[in-house]
Amino acid sequence: GAGVSQTPSNKVTEKGKYVELRCDPISGHTALYWYRQSLGQGPEFLIYFQGTGAADDSGLPNDRFFAVRPEGSVSTLKIQRTERGDSAVYLCASSSGSEQFFGPGTRLTVL
Amino acid sequence: GENVEQHPSTLSVQEGDSAVIKCTYSDSASNYFPWYKQELGKRPQLIIDIRSNVGEKKDQRIAVTLNKTAKHFSLHITETQPEDSAVYFCAADTVGANNLFFGTGTRLTVIP
Repeated sequence: GAGVSQTPSNKVTEKGKYVELRCDPISGHTALYWYRQSLGQGPEFLIYFQGTGAADDSGLPNDRFFAVRPEGSVSTLKIQRTERGDSAVYLCASSSGSEQFFGPGTRLTVL
Repeated sequence: GENVEQHPSTLSVQEGDSAVIKCTYSDSASNYFPWYKQELGKRPQLIIDIRSNVGEKKDQRIAVTLNKTAKHFSLHITETQPEDSAVYFCAADTVGANNLFFGTGTRLTVIP
């Protein structure tokens, strides 16, 4: 079946702009995670959804970052007033148990 | 919170030799330890995982060992092949949550 998909694959924006990153999890997976991966580093946890609710948002770096999952399936990560330091690959993962299946990521570049 | 350390950061081995990557974790309550392989520009993919109620798990050429007392776990790849070349990440879960904390990765190069 289809795996986790993310759009866009690449996003280039200017400092101060607003961006939205989309994640389509594997059908039926109730858990959804957002991670951020900087060059040469491991994925860093941002937020975890169980169904529609954010069960743990302790990894969000500041209030410019927000994520939603209104119908318990697709999720959108929203970043306001982007900064150059936000440049990274944003990974989404979903799971129905312990194993997390990752999407291909969105490479965000803030100029 | 959980802190996962991983070493070495880079590892080069001759084809056919074994490779070992080691990780330590800080939270003694962690009980799930996956290993992911990430090829350049690709998504991380689970290759093996272990729970805290077992000490070792094998899957063909790949094995993982866990020492709960010492809070460390290791990935062993035997008979390495060029297609094993990638970055490998260890991870540990957190108590009461499902998110993973990742190590900083090991870039494995298998020399033909």
